[in-house]
Amino acid sequence: ETGVTQTPRHLVMGMTNKKSLKCEQHLGHNAMYWYKQSAKKPLELMFVYNFKEQTENNSVPSRFSPECPNSSHLFLHLHTLQPEDSALYLCASSQASGADTGELFFGEGSRLTVL
Amino acid sequence: TQLLEQSPQFLSIQEGENLTVYCNSSSVFSSLQWYRQEPGEGPVLLVTVVTGGEVKKLKRLTFQFGDARKDSSLHITAAQPGDTGLYLCAGWSGGTYKYIFGTGTRLKVLA
Repeated sequence: ETGVTQTPRHLVMGMTNKKSLKCEQHLGHNAMYWYKQSAKKPLELMFVYNFKEQTENNSVPSRFSPECPNSSHLFLHLHTLQPEDSALYLCASSQASGADTGELFFGEGSRLTVL
Repeated sequence: TQLLEQSPQFLSIQEGENLTVYCNSSSVFSSLQWYRQEPGEGPVLLVTVVTGGEVKKLKRLTFQFGDARKDSSLHITAAQPGDTGLYLCAGWSGGTYKYIFGTGTRLKVLA
């Protein structure tokens, strides 16, 4: 496996379900990100983790719960979502330094549909 | 709130034509990146510009960072169907681990 892998690629869930998205990076990077991409909106940053520590929570509703057990894995736990949460969820990683975040390497995304 | 507005939002052109995509903001950025995203995939980095006035060329693609570091442009010469995709600019202001992404330009190049 190389790069950033996300599973599942597609997920359909009801509003009362609990599901999780998984992201794994094989690049040895120290920072991982969750972005939301929906139609007609810019790519929205949700969460940032640097060395497993959350450094950014961009006012995301509590029905989205991130987890970063180590520098290579990132999860997004989903609970009681709304139909407007349907979107493509992109995971990314980067080798962040003091100067800048560096290049973002994205996974292929998890397409989420909330019924 | 920092915003990056891209124009045009959609562009459909014939193979061989030239085009320019713009990325504008009222905020100053320390650096700016351009990504291309193809259907079913995540965005892939094309270039990073860091100095005001900087021009970078990547084969048929020319990127420019504005003198005031508030805007950028992407010019494609002799577009090809393989250039089709969503082009995203992303600005970094420094001090945090995040890039702010632009609204996107969806390009379709017809053979």
